[in-house]
Amino acid sequence: GAGVSQSPRYKVAKRGQDVALRCDPISGHVSLFWYQQALGQGPEFLTYFQNEAQLDKSGLPSDRFFAERPEGSVSTLKIQRTQQEDSAVYLCASSLAGTSGAGYEQYFGPGTRLTVT
Amino acid sequence: GDSVTQMEGPVTLSEEAFLTINCTYTATGYPSLFWYVQYPGEGLQLLLKATKADDKGSNKGFEATYRKETTSFHLEKGSVQVSDSAVYFCALSARNNDMRFGAGTRLTVKP
Repeated sequence: GAGVSQSPRYKVAKRGQDVALRCDPISGHVSLFWYQQALGQGPEFLTYFQNEAQLDKSGLPSDRFFAERPEGSVSTLKIQRTQQEDSAVYLCASSLAGTSGAGYEQYFGPGTRLTVT
Repeated sequence: GDSVTQMEGPVTLSEEAFLTINCTYTATGYPSLFWYVQYPGEGLQLLLKATKADDKGSNKGFEATYRKETTSFHLEKGSVQVSDSAVYFCALSARNNDMRFGAGTRLTVKP
C-alpha cells in the first residue's frame, strides 16, 4: 500500500511569509509525528498526535509553529512569519501504535525541504 | 533527557570490509532501540530494532545487540557492499513512541 506522503517536497519562502506543510499518513495509523532535520543532523522531535489529539508539542521551537490533525488522518504543520533558522527538512512519520507502544516502527515520509530566504 | 550519541563520520570503507558504527544512549526506564538508514535521495527506513536488553536486531546482514550494562547498540556488518553507502541513524524510543535520533553517520563504501 501507499506509504507516508508529504507535500510540497520543496518550498522556498521569503522571510516573514507563512507556510503550510502537509502530511498524509498510512491509512489506519493512529500515531503521527513531526520532526525537523537540520542539514547534517538527525531528526528532532517536534510534536505528536494520537488520532486527532495533540498529546505532545514539547519540541515545537516557538509559538510560530502550529500543527493540527483535525480528523485524525491528514496533518498540517504551519509555520508563521518564517525565519532563516526555520530552514530544514520537515519529516512526518506515522505508526500503528498508541501511547503504550514503545518499540513500534515509525514509517517516515520523504520530507519537505523548506528554504527561507 | 533521553539522548543518543553515535560515532561521527564520515566513514569510508572498501567493499567487503567489516563495519562498526558505535551508538550509546541515555534514557530513563527501558527504551526501545533502532537503527534507521537513509539512502541517497530517499526517506528514512527502519533497518533493525531491539526492544529489550540482550535482544539482537538483524536485517540485510546488519546486526546490533541491546547492551543495557554498557547502554550501547552498536551496528555491525561483516562485509559491506557499495550499495550499503548511506547515512545511518541510531535512535531510541522511551515514551509515546517519539524517537530521539543521533546525528547520523555517513558511510561510503568504495569498490
